[in-house]
Amino acid sequence: NAGVMQNPRHLVRRRGQEARLRCSPMKGHSHVYWYRQLPEEGLKFMVYLQKENIIDESGMPKERFSAEFPKEGPSILRIQQVVRGDSAAYFCASSQNTGELFFGEGSRLTVL
Amino acid sequence: GEDVEQSLFLSVREGDSSVINCTYTDSSSTYLYWYKQEPGAGLQLLTYIFSNMDMKQDQRLTVLLNKKDKHLSLRIADTQTGDSAIYFCAESVHEGTASKLTFGTGTRLQVTL
Repeated sequence: NAGVMQNPRHLVRRRGQEARLRCSPMKGHSHVYWYRQLPEEGLKFMVYLQKENIIDESGMPKERFSAEFPKEGPSILRIQQVVRGDSAAYFCASSQNTGELFFGEGSRLTVL
Repeated sequence: GEDVEQSLFLSVREGDSSVINCTYTDSSSTYLYWYKQEPGAGLQLLTYIFSNMDMKQDQRLTVLLNKKDKHLSLRIADTQTGDSAIYFCAESVHEGTASKLTFGTGTRLQVTL
């Protein structure tokens, strides 16, 4: 039973480009969460999704960031027109109902 | 508001006990967690405690919760070099079907020989 799979593990973008981060939840999990970890900081909640629905996006920046979890396929976190301050590790987690969160290994975005 | 605080760094000798402390502010927290993060890796859930418990023990790990003072601690007995990592405390308030976690800034544990 594979865990939460994130890709790419490392992504380098130049300022102004777009970054797309993908997350496949654990089998049987319908709840997906995205967290961001800035260097030397803890994880900050960004968004919580269920299939085809955004449940809570209170941690998402108002501009340039979007997330989706389509009926088929992985959840996508999309960052448009990246800036240096977007450099961080982005972690996805999944859960079954309201149970324990299982985290992926993260996608590390570097903006040059 | 929600705020979770931890000290940034702890150094212990191999074989000694480590105690990592955490304070939180949200009195409606239902679950409190300890996660371990090794370099370049994701977060691994170590243990958790429900807010109506005072203590939980799991092999070398002991979690103590003082709900009155909003203080949580993780004790690692017989600390090994493999325990070197960053330890995050986190709290959750289950609202409906949400399991949103608020994390502390992490405590870096260094185990020396």
